[in-house]
Amino acid sequence: GQNIDQPTEMTATEGAIVQINCTYQTSGFNGLFWYQQHAGEAPTFLSYNVLDGLEEKGRFSSFLSRSKGYSYLLLKELQMKDSASYLCAAHILTGGGNKLTFGTGTQLKVEL
Amino acid sequence: NAGVTQTPKFRVLKTGQSMTLLCAQDMNHEYMYWYRQDPGMGLRLIHYSVGEGTTAKGEVPDGYNVSRLKKQNFLLGLESAAPSQTSVYFCASSPDRRTGELFFGEGSRLTVL
Repeated sequence: GQNIDQPTEMTATEGAIVQINCTYQTSGFNGLFWYQQHAGEAPTFLSYNVLDGLEEKGRFSSFLSRSKGYSYLLLKELQMKDSASYLCAAHILTGGGNKLTFGTGTQLKVEL
Repeated sequence: NAGVTQTPKFRVLKTGQSMTLLCAQDMNHEYMYWYRQDPGMGLRLIHYSVGEGTTAKGEVPDGYNVSRLKKQNFLLGLESAAPSQTSVYFCASSPDRRTGELFFGEGSRLTVL
């Protein structure tokens, strides 16, 4: 089966750095996505890691270790607008296509 | 520049009623998906399609049917709605197998009384 784990909630201070971890056990794994979802809205794409290592994109970075089944999303210089749910998703290749299997999401609260 | 459009946005049903959610994408994407999102459960895949005329079951397909008669449209049907199907439903599309990125619609909030 597919199993993806991430913390349910995290709290951090404006201007700080926060790391959201994700572990996965899946078959057909091709890569790891991170999405951001504000309350009442659709998820929006943040990052996609296929190879091991760190990918940096502005204030957000994402890391993948395929051998450890582990990823993290790093958010720097936190802003109040970063308060949202962060979804980790494994990209699975199927016989004829592909699909994403999501974790339950990490609700991040940024405080003053 | 519509992207992925879902209709309706909100719907209240009584137990046993039927309804269809429509998803339309104008990006010529090959792959389309229906997810449901419930508190504490995350996004769970109901059904998906790898091309016009094809459908496949996801994690939670029971109680739902789908059709992909046209490449741009993916319909999700509830034949006999149950309170357990109260949820927010998201449609998504993806351009190709290797890229994998999903483009989501705005969601449809369904309540079954």
